[in-house]
Amino acid sequence: EVQLVESGGGLAQPGGSLRLSCAASGFTVSSSYMTWVRQAPGKGLEWLSVIYSGGSTYYADSVKGRFTISRDNSKNMLYLQMNTLRPEDTAVYYCATFPGEGYWGQGTLVTVSS
Amino acid sequence: QAVVTQEPSLTVSPGGTVTLTCGSSTGAVTSGHYPYWFQQKPGQAPRTLIYDTSNKHSWTPARFSGSLLGGKAALTLSGAQPEDEAEYYCLLSYSGARPVFGGGTKLSVL
Repeated sequence: EVQLVESGGGLAQPGGSLRLSCAASGFTVSSSYMTWVRQAPGKGLEWLSVIYSGGSTYYADSVKGRFTISRDNSKNMLYLQMNTLRPEDTAVYYCATFPGEGYWGQGTLVTVSS
Repeated sequence: QAVVTQEPSLTVSPGGTVTLTCGSSTGAVTSGHYPYWFQQKPGQAPRTLIYDTSNKHSWTPARFSGSLLGGKAALTLSGAQPEDEAEYYCLLSYSGARPVFGGGTKLSVL
């Protein structure tokens, strides 16, 4: 059974950093396309970043240069390092397996506020 | 960046049929956009109903189907149930590996 569990969310100061984790089971992260998506309170879904099985990474303009997607193949984990956080980064962050069949985690809430 | 458009809201009667659409500012939506459809209920994470235009998950009710229709991606619900009331999002892929979500359609079953 495929399962994704995000963690690492919480309260951060503007300009601060957080690292989100996504623990995967039931499949191999290194062989999959893995994506981060966020949803601001009361808003729609926003695609953030993808890492391909070959290691290529892509980012939305809104987070490029501030966020970094990575994975640890030995731990079957996906990460999102978020730096220089802004209040508008406040959202629930989801990891998901697309391109592909599109499994989603339950999300982790990030609040950026002073 | 492309803009993906969805109907902001739709209403369907129980047992009725409704089609949600997903258009692209760049032109006709094709299978090369690998359209996805996601369902999200209040307080829950999204879940994938349809991927790659028309492929269903094991949990996708048979009453949902995906297709291309009139230059758009389409999600058709035949025989709506009260539990289908939710927000539905589409996602289209573009060159440059930066897919774009639509703004979502709030579907009411009344």
